[in-house]
Amino acid sequence: DQQVKQNSPSLSVQEGRISILNCDYTNSMFDYFLWYKKYPAEGPTFLISISSIKDKNEDGRFTVFLNKSAKHLSLHIVPSQPGDSAVYFCAASFQGAQKLVFGQGTRLTINP
Amino acid sequence: KAGVTQTPRYLIKTRGQQVTLSCSPISGHRSVSWYQQTPGQGLQFLFEYFSETQRNKGNFPGRFSGRQFSNSRSEMNVSTLELGDSALYLCASKEGTVQETQYFGPGTRLLVL
Repeated sequence: DQQVKQNSPSLSVQEGRISILNCDYTNSMFDYFLWYKKYPAEGPTFLISISSIKDKNEDGRFTVFLNKSAKHLSLHIVPSQPGDSAVYFCAASFQGAQKLVFGQGTRLTINP
Repeated sequence: KAGVTQTPRYLIKTRGQQVTLSCSPISGHRSVSWYQQTPGQGLQFLFEYFSETQRNKGNFPGRFSGRQFSNSRSEMNVSTLELGDSALYLCASKEGTVQETQYFGPGTRLLVL
């Protein structure tokens, strides 16, 4: 049962444009969401998070949007840079669970 | 602060052997979680320790076990290794008591032959 889904295995974006990565979840108990970036053979690096009491959180070039009614979140990267090329994972948790449930990841490639 | 560290970074074992992986969390973090990453299953939660007690456990067989020491360092043990245990094993730490961001180490790449 895949509770967190990233339906796009890959995404290719031109340098300088906006990258939009999407994530859907099924468990309505999830109330905390995170995005991680991962390079091969390294651990995931935390990017940005959002609590379910908010619908938007910004940190520099990264913005996460949460639509609770649609059980959908997205990560916007503006402007996209070559160093953003990596696999992006969304993850979700709920109070008391003490664990993260991850999506399958989206490989983002930024083209010069 | 130093990040999460994991040792060893790479390991080759044969079927039937056992292995112990180590994780040192960020200073001050009392919660340590372990995850397994494989191409087919993605990132899967193994277990979480807080103040030397296992608080949560994923759906893995009993061959996978762990422990946490009083200094918050954690070890993970896999006994009777199977080929399917080949994976990247990731450790993550957080401060502990409420919902917070988990910070990951670089992982240990285990290859079972």
